[in-house]
Amino acid sequence: DGGITQSPKYLFRKEGQNVTLSCEQNLNHDAMYWYRQDPGQGLRLIYYSQIVNDFQKGDIAEGYSVSREKKESFPLTVTSAQKNPTAFYLCASSVHRVTEAFFGQGTRLTVV
Amino acid sequence: AQTVTQSQPEMSVQEAETVTLSCTYDTSENNYYLFWYKQPPSRQMILVIRQEAYKQQNATENRFSVNFQKAAKSFSLKISDSQLGDTAMYFCAFMKQAFQGAQKLVFGQGTRLTINP
Repeated sequence: DGGITQSPKYLFRKEGQNVTLSCEQNLNHDAMYWYRQDPGQGLRLIYYSQIVNDFQKGDIAEGYSVSREKKESFPLTVTSAQKNPTAFYLCASSVHRVTEAFFGQGTRLTVV
Repeated sequence: AQTVTQSQPEMSVQEAETVTLSCTYDTSENNYYLFWYKQPPSRQMILVIRQEAYKQQNATENRFSVNFQKAAKSFSLKISDSQLGDTAMYFCAFMKQAFQGAQKLVFGQGTRLTINP
């Protein structure tokens, strides 16, 4: 079945450690996105990528980094520079000129 | 920059009733898309309905319909004959029309809808 897979579903890290969230899609979509969800704030765009080896900052990119070495994969690294990393992270993908974005099931990151 | 505002943090109705969720947005763009997404307790984001700004006719999907008022920049969602499975967070979202490249969504804060038996 085609879809977007995020792993793990729950992730715990100690403060000061970098952590990488995985996002894989087998939909052959060109564009991929990372959103952060906090209570009462909806979803905010962290980074997005239109094609392999290219990505742009979204609205809240500080403290995050990404790579896009393969079309299917768009991992997100939450660095120690991110001041408040505990949140729910959603990955999405879409096809150019098609308006619907497909979402993964999310990763809940807790930093203690 | 575009902004999306949902003024109702929480709503609650009885099963089989009709409920309307409000959404307003601000943009200087003329060509864009508006969406309602549903996020049930599983936290999976599910597209409920989509509206193209150039279309005057309001979109409908079974029990879900929208009231799109372009001049007022208003985009409300009506759920008819509500069901227990409609219980979820509902997000209104805006996307500027892009003929190529990434389709970035701007989301509202969400409305938590509870359908009571």
